[in-house]
Amino acid sequence: LAKTTQPISMDSYEGQEVNITCSHNNIATNDYITWYQQFPSQGPRFIIQGYKTKVTNEVASLFIPADRKSSTLSLPRVSLSDTAVYYCLVGDTSGNTGKLIFGQGTTLQVKP
Amino acid sequence: DTEVTQTPKHLVMGMTNKKSLKCEQHMGHRAMYWYKQKAKKPPELMFVYSYEKLSINESVPSRFSPECPNSSLLNLHLHALQPEDSALYLCASSQETRLAYGYTFGSGTRLTVV
Repeated sequence: LAKTTQPISMDSYEGQEVNITCSHNNIATNDYITWYQQFPSQGPRFIIQGYKTKVTNEVASLFIPADRKSSTLSLPRVSLSDTAVYYCLVGDTSGNTGKLIFGQGTTLQVKP
Repeated sequence: DTEVTQTPKHLVMGMTNKKSLKCEQHMGHRAMYWYKQKAKKPPELMFVYSYEKLSINESVPSRFSPECPNSSLLNLHLHALQPEDSALYLCASSQETRLAYGYTFGSGTRLTVV
């Protein structure tokens, strides 16, 4: 699986838009980019997944440039409850290994 | 039912004890996973089951023994653990072992080995 690099931590304030960028320079042609969110003492929760350009759901947007060597998770108008660790994962979604490997993640702290 | 249920939520065991962690899902998922997570660290994959067969063992010590009795249940049997095995143990499931299918995680079992 391609290695990912994210900032260790980020701070934001309530109501702001937060963008977390993930670098994945050796992403392969068949790889998709997936983001998970984890609150303390809970399991990770799937947020969004994409292959190229832009994907949006009710929770977040995912921006992927043409070269796909990075991606940006965008959280609109964050609240205190968005304080969590966010993981970027890259892997071949057509593969059958089931090896979902987590990187170090980004700890987002939202302040009032 | 869109949840993965793990029991117990907390477990304290001695190094000579034998205990089991239980994981249950009723989403019809055919892949199930065990992860271990230490404080301030990302989850680490331990085992993958696909269609009730063990498909991946990430070189986990034999004191951890997984079992998949049926497509809805996943157990992790623990024996002769060490204090450094204290961690949050997470179970997850997915439709199949493909990353395209979102993985659903349980809330975990917080294990303390004394």
